Amino acid sequence: AQSVTQLGSHVSVSEGALVLLRCNYSSSVPPYLFWYVQYPNQGLQLLLKYTTGATLVKGINGFEAEFKKSETSFHLTKPSAHMSDAAEYFCAVSDTGGGADGLTFGKGTHLIIQP
Amino acid sequence: DGGITQSPKYLFRKEGQNVTLSCEQNLNHDAMYWYRQDPGQGLRLIYYSQIVNDFQKGDIAEGYSVSREKKESFPLTVTSAQKNPTAFYLCASSRGVTGTEAFFGQGTRLTVV
Repeated sequence: AQSVTQLGSHVSVSEGALVLLRCNYSSSVPPYLFWYVQYPNQGLQLLLKYTTGATLVKGINGFEAEFKKSETSFHLTKPSAHMSDAAEYFCAVSDTGGGADGLTFGKGTHLIIQP
Repeated sequence: DGGITQSPKYLFRKEGQNVTLSCEQNLNHDAMYWYRQDPGQGLRLIYYSQIVNDFQKGDIAEGYSVSREKKESFPLTVTSAQKNPTAFYLCASSRGVTGTEAFFGQGTRLTVV
């Protein structure tokens, strides 16, 4: 069974500061990893994903994440926060056994941007 | 534009009534999913379907039912057996191939009074 842990249900940063959202996973097989963003009363939008190859993945809106197998982590970063980044962020994992049985999501991190 | 359409966006029902949430996709995806979202709980999988006329229970299927008669459509019925149905429901689809991401609809907020 796979699981995802997002450290911190709420993270607050100042506008212009570094954003770091933490995600650790457990999986019995090499995982595929995803970060999604959700704005209030909206669906989820894919920010980035890791499947194979380069462990540093760049996504939309200036976000990036690094897959670290030894740490079973996939933390999301952005060098400079913008007010529009305020949203809920979800880390998700899918194992390589098959892609059709759904993603396993973390509980989410609410990112707050202070002016 | 290709995408996933959920309707309605807001739904109110009286306790004890069944209610059906609509989900349609025009992405030609094989796999479709229903998730339930509660504050602080993340997304939990209710049902998923990999092909037409076939579906599997997810982690929290009790009190819910689905059908998949067409590739584009995957309606979810919240039955009176669901003890706490008030939640935000998200439908998603994917190509169903390993490593592919899911695409989400805009969600339906169901309130049972």
